[in-house]
Amino acid sequence: NAGVTQTPKFRILKIGQSMTLQCTQDMNHNYMYWYRQDPGMGLKLIYYSVGAGITDKGEVPNGYNVSRSTTEDFPLRLELAAPSQTSVYFCASSYSVSFQVQETQYFGPGTRLLVL
Amino acid sequence: EDQVTQSPEALRLQEGESSSLNCSYTVSGLRGLFWYRQDPGKGPEFLFTLYSAGEEKEKERLKATLTKKESFLHITAPKPEDSATYLCAVQVRGMDSNYQLIWGAGTKLIIKP
Repeated sequence: NAGVTQTPKFRILKIGQSMTLQCTQDMNHNYMYWYRQDPGMGLKLIYYSVGAGITDKGEVPNGYNVSRSTTEDFPLRLELAAPSQTSVYFCASSYSVSFQVQETQYFGPGTRLLVL
Repeated sequence: EDQVTQSPEALRLQEGESSSLNCSYTVSGLRGLFWYRQDPGKGPEFLFTLYSAGEEKEKERLKATLTKKESFLHITAPKPEDSATYLCAVQVRGMDSNYQLIWGAGTKLIIKP
């Protein structure tokens, strides 16, 4: 099993450009998450999904959009990139019975994004 | 406001020198506490989950403990391969009644041979 895969590994964007960060998991997990990690800060939840067709906002959703058309894929869309979106982005997945029971999250290798 | 604080920010040890990392939290309604390890350029990797005060979990040279206000990650006789950033996360109930994870900023551990 590949686990959680993310592409690209690294990307430089100009201010105002758009891009999609790809995330795929092959563990048949129902929950998927997008986090950003900034230096000296804890992981911040951007969006999460409890299953195909269902997504919800996390702590820092502004400037991002997501979709979940299949169990495996959970892309993150950045529209009109800003320097404040320079960060490392992690996708994660877990199998949970409900959001009240947080099971172990499995993380991808991350995408490093630089907005200039 | 729910907060998770990890200390120290960085810790340098000699190989074989035991020590502890701290994760303190001020949250309402702790549901669980998670420890993860993160190597440079990689995503976090799960280590332990603790649910109640007094609980302990062990894995090789690592031992995690939990009290009502904090958790410790004890490292016994560490080796250079234990060098990594160790992250702590606390599960709490959010404003929408859903549970969410609050993450600490991590402790960077360096073990010198």
